[in-house]
Amino acid sequence: DVVMTQSPLSLPVTLGQPASISCRSSQSLVHIDGNTYLNWFQQRPGQSPRRLIYKVSNRDSGVPDRFSGGGSGTDFTLKISRVEAEDVGIYYCMQGTHWPWTFGPGTKVDIK
Amino acid sequence: EVQLVESGGGLVQPGGSLRLSCAASGFTFNNYAMSWVRQAPGKGLEWVSALSGSGDEKFYADSVKGRFTISRDNSKNTLFLQMSSLRVEDTAFYYCARVDTDWGQGTLVTVSS
Repeated sequence: DVVMTQSPLSLPVTLGQPASISCRSSQSLVHIDGNTYLNWFQQRPGQSPRRLIYKVSNRDSGVPDRFSGGGSGTDFTLKISRVEAEDVGIYYCMQGTHWPWTFGPGTKVDIK
Repeated sequence: EVQLVESGGGLVQPGGSLRLSCAASGFTFNNYAMSWVRQAPGKGLEWVSALSGSGDEKFYADSVKGRFTISRDNSKNTLFLQMSSLRVEDTAFYYCARVDTDWGQGTLVTVSS
């Protein structure tokens, strides 16, 4: 199975400041169809996961533009340009290139 | 609006069985692959199973292969997960998801004696 790692696992941030989460995969996430199925999810306390970013850098509908994704191959990043209080939660990267789809361990974002 | 509503969770003894359902609305159900993802309390996410829109292609995590069966009834817009030979480590919230885009609120399965 593809192993997904994230760093840091805990990220205290100051409101209005940027934040960045790294995600690495144990093998390339480039699919034979040419797409890279690396997605990012947000899980707020007590809620279901919500997809924020799909195929590395595409924001889902309704996702604020302060969220951005990037990377390629095995190294990916989620950035929040200016953290807001509603961004508190756990962020997971997920690969959908190889079955079984696998998630990273999650990065807990909270406010300093 | 896409809605996914899971049901069927509960307390079951080790070795027992349970059938989860997910009622879908707000989209053309048979056009989409569907998935089950679980999350043990306070833990991370694990993909359990996925099923193509036609129901022809099924995928299972190794941890549930041979014990869980995913299926769907496209006439009733409903996804199922039949779980048997349940283990304590299967205790989790089980989420139904449209591919990975839209998620239900989850149903809690507790396996305990």
